Amino acid sequence: QKEVEQDPGPLSVPEGAIVSLNCTYSNSAFQYFMWYRQYSRKGPELLMYTYSSGNKEDGRFTAQVDKSSKYISLFIRDSQPSDSATYLCASGYGNKLVFGAGTILRVKS
Amino acid sequence: KAGVTQTPRYLIKTRGQQVTLSCSPISGHRSVSWYQQTPGQGLQFLFEYFSETQRNKGNFPGRFSGRQFSNSRSEMNVSTLELGDSALYLCASSGLGTEETQYFGPGTRLLVL
Repeated sequence: QKEVEQDPGPLSVPEGAIVSLNCTYSNSAFQYFMWYRQYSRKGPELLMYTYSSGNKEDGRFTAQVDKSSKYISLFIRDSQPSDSATYLCASGYGNKLVFGAGTILRVKS
Repeated sequence: KAGVTQTPRYLIKTRGQQVTLSCSPISGHRSVSWYQQTPGQGLQFLFEYFSETQRNKGNFPGRFSGRQFSNSRSEMNVSTLELGDSALYLCASSGLGTEETQYFGPGTRLLVL
């Protein structure tokens, strides 16, 4: 079993939709949780990170962590075609960071 | 601040050859990590260097090696290339005390024929 599980998709939504991306993790030692966005032919770009359970909001993006169920989510409001990318969740502790497989998101105009 | 740079961006090699990839971290960052990204396996951790010392290592064969120089620049080497080594190789750097916040370069796309 992988330490971080993520549905690879692809997930296709119309412009303006609310997008929900999800991951689960198995290692109780994980202390921080991140979301990266990766455009085609580019390296991953850090989108959001959090250390605790609860919600963290940044513009149209909300990261949610539930440590009791080991569940990580990213919500994108008012999705735009420019949000089309692969979204990678990551969890870890210390300098150990484990990535999910990534979910391909396509926002249709 | 300039971002993480990787050279070359694209590389084509044949089986049995060896390859060296280079990474220059963000100025002031001393930790450099290397990852292999493939469609089937996703992003897999290769190794991490800090102050010229390998601090962590993933589950890759010994054909994969790396080093870090005193200016924090890092190289990774793959010897005796196999078809399965075709992948995007990503380098990420992080600052002291914030190792979990990794900033990635654009990657080197390696194709092994």
